[in-house]
Amino acid sequence: GAVVSQHPSRVICKSGTSVKIECRSLDFQATTMFWYRQFPKQSLMLMATSNEGSKATYEQGVEKDKFLINHASLTLSTLTVTSAHPEDSSFYICSAEGDSGNTIYFGEGSWLTVV
Amino acid sequence: AQSVTQLGSHVSVSEGALVLLRCNYSSSVPPYLFWYVQYPNQGLQLLLKYTTGATLVKGINGFEAEFKKSETSFHLTKPSAHMSDAAEYFCAVLNQGGKLIFGQGTELSVKP
Repeated sequence: GAVVSQHPSRVICKSGTSVKIECRSLDFQATTMFWYRQFPKQSLMLMATSNEGSKATYEQGVEKDKFLINHASLTLSTLTVTSAHPEDSSFYICSAEGDSGNTIYFGEGSWLTVV
Repeated sequence: AQSVTQLGSHVSVSEGALVLLRCNYSSSVPPYLFWYVQYPNQGLQLLLKYTTGATLVKGINGFEAEFKKSETSFHLTKPSAHMSDAAEYFCAVLNQGGKLIFGQGTELSVKP
């Protein structure tokens, strides 16, 4: 099946710094990718929809200036957490819509810890 | 608007017993339905999906689900649980905007 890869799988950063998480579709082109946040023992919360070549669409309550999304190519979307704070510590997961258009594949997730 | 409800945040079964994870959906249009599994500290893996056609869908690892329109359900089953099935399971519906709407998740525990 389709493969979506995230990097890094784990990252620790200091409070106030920025950190970038990459999401790649390895064997298909993805015009649309999605970024989720997941707190322990909870379901996934959609943060934004990343569209290749255009601005991301953010869900209500998500700060677009804090969570910068860039979808520069058909196989890569990046999420940058700017001026990170401890409350931004979470599991971030990306997904991409497969070629068929009705199946979404997920990356392995990235653990962010802000200290 | 679409929504998904998973009944039971935690299900515990014995190894070899039937697994039944319940999912009910709400949708004003014919739904596309999915089951995903999440192992600790990992992303989501697609188990199976229903789009159109046969209502009994077979997935990986011996799981299957049946789409029942009259009951607005898409319950996940496996005849015989294995220890490796212990994980978090998410039911989801694809909304008209192309976004996945997730249920709350069900944690499956398998006792030896």
